[in-house]
Amino acid sequence: GAVVSQHPSWVICKSGTSVKIECRSLDFQATTMFWYRQFPKQSLMLMATSNEGSKATYEQGVEKDKFLINHASLTLSTLTVTSAHPEDSSFYICSADTTTGGRVETQYFGPGTRLLVL
Amino acid sequence: GQSLEQPSEVTAVEGAIVQINCTYQTSGFYGLSWYQQHDGGAPTFLSYNALDGLEETGRFSSFLSRSDSYGYLLLQELQMKDSASYFCAVSTRDDKIIFGKGTRLHILP
Repeated sequence: GAVVSQHPSWVICKSGTSVKIECRSLDFQATTMFWYRQFPKQSLMLMATSNEGSKATYEQGVEKDKFLINHASLTLSTLTVTSAHPEDSSFYICSADTTTGGRVETQYFGPGTRLLVL
Repeated sequence: GQSLEQPSEVTAVEGAIVQINCTYQTSGFYGLSWYQQHDGGAPTFLSYNALDGLEETGRFSSFLSRSDSYGYLLLQELQMKDSASYFCAVSTRDDKIIFGKGTRLHILP
């Protein structure tokens, strides 16, 4: 089956630093990748939709200048949390779509990246 | 706007059957899906319903009634490893997935 990886799985950083999280589709090409954030005991919240070669589409309330998304190839999307602060500490999860349709049955989730900002 | 409602917690006994309900209000509804998430892990896709009716996959079944904006996940022959959070999620015609707040399933031996 389709496999999505994320790196790193864990990151601890100081407040004010930037953190880059990679999302890779290992055995398929993903035209669309999605980035989610999940706070403890809460639901997954969609942050942005990333299409290869074009600008990401951000959900309402998500600062595009703070959460930089780059989808440079069909197998890689990156999320950079710029000038991270403690309130950005969360579980960041990406998903990749095997089709252009964006349907749930063709989306595969990565294992997530846990970010802790001190 | 989009909203999904599901119970925050459900408790059941090992070997029993449990049903987790989900009601939704959404524009551009395309389908309802269910995910399982263990503590510290990422969500795992369980099932998807785009049409009314029951879909069965092993011990898990999922049901959808589009006219009632309602669905449920049915877990049979509960095992301790089924202790997890279960999320219903709506997929929309603009290719997004909106997740519910999750139901934490506690299983007693």
